[in-house]
Formats: sequence, C-alpha cells, structure tokens
Amino acid sequence: KQEVTQIPAALSVPEGENLVLNCSFTDSAIYNLQWFRQDPGKGLTSLLLIQSSQREQTSGRLNASLDKSSGRSTLYIAASQPGDSATYLCAGMDSNYQLIWGAGTKLIIKP
Amino acid sequence: NAGVMQNPRHLVRRRGQEARLRCSPMKGHSHVYWYRQLPEEGLKFMVYLQKENIIDESGMPKERFSAEFPKEGPSILRIQQVVRGDSAAYFCASSQGNNQPQHFGDGTRLSIL
Repeated sequence: KQEVTQIPAALSVPEGENLVLNCSFTDSAIYNLQWFRQDPGKGLTSLLLIQSSQREQTSGRLNASLDKSSGRSTLYIAASQPGDSATYLCAGMDSNYQLIWGAGTKLIIKP
Repeated sequence: NAGVMQNPRHLVRRRGQEARLRCSPMKGHSHVYWYRQLPEEGLKFMVYLQKENIIDESGMPKERFSAEFPKEGPSILRIQQVVRGDSAAYFCASSQGNNQPQHFGDGTRLSIL
C-alpha cells in the first residue's frame, strides 16, 4: 500500500533563502507525482506534475524532481518570498489512479 | 474558463441531518474525484467518478455516504444521518483523463453541531 511522507512538517526561513521540501513514497509504481499549494481556508493549487518517465519539472522559481528508484521527490523554491507562505502537499498517483497524499509541509517565509 | 466550482463553501448541519455537497467540474473534464481533509490531516481519497459511472469508491465509507455524477448537472456527494466525525473539508477535483493533472475546487467545509 502506497504511503507518502513529507519532511519537515513545518519550516520557517527568512525571505530570500533557497529551500527544499521533501516527499518520500513507499511504492515506486506511481504514474505521476504532483506538488500542490494550499492556503489557509482555501483549496489546492497545482504547482507541478512530474510523470513517472520524467525526472524534473520547472515553473518559475519552482523546481520539482522525481527519483522513483529511491522513492523521493523534492520541491525546490528559489529566492523565497513572504507570498510563498502556505502548506505544500505532495501526492503520488497509484495504479488505481488514486492520489495518495502526504500530510504537508507548512512553510513560513519571514519578511 | 471557470475552474472547479464547489458549493456551498460552508455547510452547517445538526447530527442526523443530511448533507449534500455539489461539484461542477472544469469545462471539458469528465473525471471527478472527491477527497476529505480532516482537521490537521492530509487529504484522503474517497471516490472517483466519470459521467454516470462510479469508477472507484474504495475510499468512501460503506454506510451513509454516496456519490453520483449524472449525465447532466454537477457531481453530488451525499452524507446521510451526519455525525460529528463527518466534520471536515471536502474537496472535489476534475481532470480530462485518469493520468492527467487534477484541478481542485475551493472545498466545502462541513460542520456538524
């Protein structure tokens, strides 16, 4: 059974720093892995999706990598800004096309 | 192009009442997914539907919960005889296909008194 873990659960860094959020999964048989952002009381915004055949995806200051052999994905945020403060969720799609979710990393960027 | 629309945004029910949550997928999307997020927890898959068909309901409780996605109109998640433990945020997502990005609505926050 697929399990997704995110470390750390919370992270607070000064504005301008580069940072990495980690996501690990137990079953390498995933179709894709998606990173989302969730603001308090809001829905989820899809940030990046990496298909199982891909190694990374980039969008602006965000870069997500996928290493199926080690069961890991990372989300790299460059030059962090206070507006990046949110909870970041990763989710892996299993063979039943279900998204299996991590519990999230709550990120605070201090001005 | 409107995104995934969920209503109501907030719903308050007393124990024993019924809750009906609605989800209109993005235009052109025929796949709908429902997820539940309990306070301070991650999202859990509930059910996956295509038009008029339930594809996978393995994450949905066997009793009191049901979902539909009719040929016309929104997808409905129905919870009968609600209990306090049903209090959660319920999110709907839609996609063009089963391996395509899922786009999420803003959720319905259900509170049971």
